[in-house]
Amino acid sequence: QSALTQPRSVSGSPGQSVTISCTGTSSDVGGYDYVSWYQQHPGKAPKLMIYDVIKRPSGVPDRFSGSKSGNTASLTISGLQAEDEADYYCCSYAGSYTVFGGGTKLTVL
Amino acid sequence: EVQLVQSGAEVKKPGESLKISCKGSGYNFASYWIGWVRQMPGKGLEWMGVIFPGDFDTRYSPSFQGQVTISVDKSIRTAYLQWSSLKASDSAMYYCAKGFRSDNLDYWGQGTLVTVSS
Repeated sequence: QSALTQPRSVSGSPGQSVTISCTGTSSDVGGYDYVSWYQQHPGKAPKLMIYDVIKRPSGVPDRFSGSKSGNTASLTISGLQAEDEADYYCCSYAGSYTVFGGGTKLTVL
Repeated sequence: EVQLVQSGAEVKKPGESLKISCKGSGYNFASYWIGWVRQMPGKGLEWMGVIFPGDFDTRYSPSFQGQVTISVDKSIRTAYLQWSSLKASDSAMYYCAKGFRSDNLDYWGQGTLVTVSS
């Protein structure tokens, strides 16, 4: 199995919106509505931001939203804030196992 | 309060065995998957495998199948990740996390740093 494909880096200014893509196959992203997104700040454990493609855990701001089309899922962060600067990882259920994306570094300019 | 508390950092030599732990509290331990995730220095997250304490159902990533063993002791609410013969390439931070499905990991431990060096 291969890691899901994410852009290495994205950037945006405070207040802007950014979208991070996550491309897999019909065996993972395209085959299930079970895509999640994690935020990781340096030296910290990951934090679940989105699950089941579009759902937000309690406490996650509604500035974070998820979507999916075919084999590609996306995380959109609107109204960028300085604290959003972090690494973001997508993750997809693939039946007998689960796979992460390679990660995207978000820089808030 | 849900908590996952992992065992402390380890320094081992190549060829040695190791078992690290993850103790859950504040939730129904038997009803949620416990997963293990590797993060090598400066690299991304890698899903290793999960175990369901309720029935011991265990699933591994093909990349880690046969390389590690995941187990659980329900009586003490603790999950384990074990190596029989460490390699230098096993040096990494290892996180445990819980979730209602293997991809949906909503609470994470603080991580256990494993260093394998001769």
